[in-house]
Amino acid sequence: DGGITQSPKYLFRKEGQNVTLSCEQNLNHDAMYWYRQDPGQGLRLIYYSQIVNDFQKGDIAEGYSVSREKKESFPLTVTSAQKNPTAFYLCASSPAGYSYEQYFGPGTRLTVT
Amino acid sequence: DAKTTQPPSMDCAEGRAANLPCNHSTISGNEYVYWYRQIHSQGPQYIIHGLKNNETNEMASLIITEDRKSSTLILPHATLRDTAVYYCIVRVAMDNAGNMLTFGGGTRLMVKP
Repeated sequence: DGGITQSPKYLFRKEGQNVTLSCEQNLNHDAMYWYRQDPGQGLRLIYYSQIVNDFQKGDIAEGYSVSREKKESFPLTVTSAQKNPTAFYLCASSPAGYSYEQYFGPGTRLTVT
Repeated sequence: DAKTTQPPSMDCAEGRAANLPCNHSTISGNEYVYWYRQIHSQGPQYIIHGLKNNETNEMASLIITEDRKSSTLILPHATLRDTAVYYCIVRVAMDNAGNMLTFGGGTRLMVKP
């Protein structure tokens, strides 16, 4: 089955630790995105990438880093510099470059204490 | 980006058609109407999009008025699994600045047995 996978579904970390969230897609999509969603809120864009080895900062990139070494993979690292990392993180991809037709993974709920 | 207006909530009987309206009176000529939904604690799900012609896919139909100032998403045979918040957004199809999906309030659809 084609789709986007994110792992793990739930993640717990201590404050001050970096953590990497996985995102893999087998849809052969060029563009990939990372969003953050806080309770009762909409989506906020963290990073996005159109091609391998290229990515751009979104509105709330501070405290996060990404890599795009393979078309299928777009991991997100939440660093200790992120002031309020507890949130629901969503990865998405789109078929034809940047597009609003985006397909989302199931999300990773990160809790930092 | 054109602003959209949706009713905050709607009920629908299981097996009946769910008709979800969206007003977008300030839509410009190159903006598409996109529909997403988000089931509680899951990632958003792309449903359908259109420019001016009516569109249909395996999930839903999208009816856009001739003046494009409003549209209706139709779920032909609603099931309990269609209970979700449905978001209508209006955007140009693609831009290189990075497409941030910003959801407004949406319509909370409750499908009842």
